[in-house]
Amino acid sequence: SQQGEEDPQALSIQEGENATMNCSYKTSINNLQWYRQNSGRGLVHLILIRSNEREKHSGRLRVTLDTSKKSSSLLITASRAADTASYFCALTPGNTPLVFGKGTRLSVIA
Amino acid sequence: NAGVTQTPKFRVLKTGQSMTLLCAQDMNHEYMYWYRQDPGMGLRLIHYSVGEGTTAKGEVPDGYNVSRLKKQNFLLGLESAAPSQTSVYFCASSYGPREQYFGPGTRLTVT
Repeated sequence: SQQGEEDPQALSIQEGENATMNCSYKTSINNLQWYRQNSGRGLVHLILIRSNEREKHSGRLRVTLDTSKKSSSLLITASRAADTASYFCALTPGNTPLVFGKGTRLSVIA
Repeated sequence: NAGVTQTPKFRVLKTGQSMTLLCAQDMNHEYMYWYRQDPGMGLRLIHYSVGEGTTAKGEVPDGYNVSRLKKQNFLLGLESAAPSQTSVYFCASSYGPREQYFGPGTRLTVT
């Protein structure tokens, strides 16, 4: 399968804690992206990391990519209730369009 | 900029009826996509387009047709709706194979 697999499927944390979710995949990729989806809404792009990059930051978000292990992680620091959402990794395997995983549901409890 | 808009937001169809979902983007993006999302699932690509007048099949194209007559519009058609097509449909657009911008979704129920 070209799909990424997020782990865990669901995560519940207290406000202020860090949240880490992982994405594993099996194919070679050009880049890997992370998206957020609030309940009932469209997806919003968070970060794109290229296959030759190891780490990227955007505000409270930190994404790492380990192509030797075929895995990526998304870290949200100092989480807020507003971070409650589903988070998806999406792969670009070769020249094919983006392939989305099934997502991690994050609940941040105030 | 409105970004990506989808029409309609909700629709209920009877089995066998047809309908067209409209996606419009004002960002001058070349690439446009149609996805469906079912409970507990990620997004599955139905069809996509890499430019005006072009279309290509995605992962789950059966039962759907698309057209890209204008760069800013991407239409998804259901010729004979089936209950298995009950889903939330998302349109997206992008500059090439990069980050995608999504519309708000269309919730379709087929009875």
